[in-house]
Amino acid sequence: QVQLVQSGAEVKKPGSSVKVSCKASGGTFSSYAISWVRQAPGQGLEWMGGIIPIFGTANYAQKFQGRVTITTDESTSTAYMELSSLRSEDTAVYYCARGVAEMATTYLFDYWGQGTLVTVSS
Amino acid sequence: EIVMTQSPATLSVSPGERATLSCRASQSVSSNLAWYQQKPGQAPRLLIYGASTRATGIPARFSGSGSGTEFTLTISSLQSEDFAVYYCQQYNNWPPEGTFGGGTKVEIK
Repeated sequence: QVQLVQSGAEVKKPGSSVKVSCKASGGTFSSYAISWVRQAPGQGLEWMGGIIPIFGTANYAQKFQGRVTITTDESTSTAYMELSSLRSEDTAVYYCARGVAEMATTYLFDYWGQGTLVTVSS
Repeated sequence: EIVMTQSPATLSVSPGERATLSCRASQSVSSNLAWYQQKPGQAPRLLIYGASTRATGIPARFSGSGSGTEFTLTISSLQSEDFAVYYCQQYNNWPPEGTFGGGTKVEIK
């Protein structure tokens, strides 16, 4: 049974950073792509970036280049997403999502975390 | 970066009727196209991948078609549990990315 359990809600000041974690259980963590997707209140899904283990480096959406860092810790089967220079528009639910197949080279997701609400407010 | 555009934004359908949702890519994504369903307060659920393959446990009333830049999700006979928001996603091989469309809300007419 695959589970992705994310860290709890955060409230941050504009200009600060936030780091959200996603702990995986079930399956071989290092064999699956992992991505972060966010959803602002009442809005659609927005892919932020991810890591495909076979490539070893993270890919980021152009919109978030330079402001987001996605990392993984294989020893604890945990993925992290750090977003810096926060502004009010970054208020959203942030989801982690896992790729569908071992060693796959694409960002197609079948398991999702429960979501983490990040609120940016002065 | 590939841009995904979905239409319509909202679709009003009566239970038992057919719903047809469209998704267009700004450049070819071959068949690297998925559809997800999202209900309020829940994470998305994978319905279709490879443009036309149903994911595990997805009912046969959901079908996908298309390739290249034009894709369609059809729900043949809407059930009460199908009223939700649907997103298309391209998952190109190179560069690896996973861009979503803006979504189509299927609501009860």
